[in-house]
Amino acid sequence: GAGVSQSPRYKVAKRGQDVALRCDPISGHVSLFWYQQALGQGPEFLTYFQNEAQLDKSGLPSDRFFAERPEGSVSTLKIQRTQQEDSAVYLCASSFASGSFGLDEQFFGPGTRLTVL
Amino acid sequence: KQEVTQIPAALSVPEGENLVLNCSFTDSAIYNLQWFRQDPGKGLTSLLLIQSSQREQTSGRLNASLDKSSGRSTLYIAASQPGDSATYLCAVPGFQKLVFGTGTRLLVSP
Repeated sequence: GAGVSQSPRYKVAKRGQDVALRCDPISGHVSLFWYQQALGQGPEFLTYFQNEAQLDKSGLPSDRFFAERPEGSVSTLKIQRTQQEDSAVYLCASSFASGSFGLDEQFFGPGTRLTVL
Repeated sequence: KQEVTQIPAALSVPEGENLVLNCSFTDSAIYNLQWFRQDPGKGLTSLLLIQSSQREQTSGRLNASLDKSSGRSTLYIAASQPGDSATYLCAVPGFQKLVFGTGTRLLVSP
């Protein structure tokens, strides 16, 4: 496909369950970002990869959140022992260049809406 | 720390009106500014990206302006249509991330 894809699109989890969210970036894009968007808010940065290297994870809210991109393409965001406050839309974005301060345009996927009961 | 604010938070207009959405940012040392559209339950669609060296960018009925010195950008929508109803977000680059405003929810009534 031509765009960023994410799966699943919707996920309902019971509190305490582990979840894994997948992101397929645009082919050839070096940079990959994860954002969390709470209801009625703008997206908030979680973590950033340049190829397989996780260069910034300062936005991850707790050690229950873990992200990986082992081969520099597909990325997975894992949330362990989910809590109700984890309910949000999780957005993935990719960009062609390696970024840093001069960010290139980011292209976003449709998001995964996580609901924790 | 860069902070981005958007006003109004919500806007309801009749079809055909021209309207302006506002975005302000606290750190004027930005590289670019991007406007996005988000439909309910969907991801973000990039509308316009303005480089710091530009003052405005146009795409169809949309025109975005950037005034770095005052820390402001505006998105002008001409002749609004019901299909324009969505949330509009602006974002500026922080270090290795985008910093977003909270968005303006626009409803255009037929």
